[in-house]
Amino acid sequence: QKEVEQDPGPLSVPEGAIVSLNCTYSNSAFQYFMWYRQYSRKGPELLMYTYSSGNKEDGRFTAQVDKSSKYISLFIRDSQPSDSATYLCAMSPNYQLIWGAGTKLIIKP
Amino acid sequence: ETGVTQTPRHLVMGMTNKKSLKCEQHLGHNAMYWYKQSAKKPLELMFVYSLEERVENNSVPSRFSPECPNSSHLFLHLHTLQPEDSALYLCASSHQPTGGAGNTIYFGEGSWLTVV
Repeated sequence: QKEVEQDPGPLSVPEGAIVSLNCTYSNSAFQYFMWYRQYSRKGPELLMYTYSSGNKEDGRFTAQVDKSSKYISLFIRDSQPSDSATYLCAMSPNYQLIWGAGTKLIIKP
Repeated sequence: ETGVTQTPRHLVMGMTNKKSLKCEQHLGHNAMYWYKQSAKKPLELMFVYSLEERVENNSVPSRFSPECPNSSHLFLHLHTLQPEDSALYLCASSHQPTGGAGNTIYFGEGSWLTVV
């Protein structure tokens, strides 16, 4: 079993839709949870991070962590074509980051 | 323009060639990394350097040889590669060589490597 599972997609939704991206994990020691966004032909860039359980909101983006279910989510409201990218989750107990495979998101105008 | 610059952006090499990837960070960070990114696979951490000293080597084949002459520069020397080594190679840097909050990893745009 992989430490972090993430559906590679692609996930295609119409502009304006609410997008839900998810990762599951197996290691209960993970405390730090991050979402990176990677545009085509670019390196990943940090989008949001959360510590332990709960929600964190930043504009149209909300990161949610459910440690009891070992499940994290990234919600994008009012999705835009410019949100089209690959979204990678990453998590850490305290030292090394463990990455998901990334979900390719396509927002159709 | 990012704070982490990689060259070349694209590289095609034969299995008997020797080439190098170069990375430079302008962020004043102490840690630098090489990652391998293949389609639909998680990022694979290859090497971690902290203040020019290698702190992690994740069982990478010896045909990949890193070099960190100072805290701003990182090289990945390549020789006798295999076609399965074709991938995007990402350089990154951060303040400390650890994961977690407050230690954001900044990536370069990557070097696309094709081994023929």
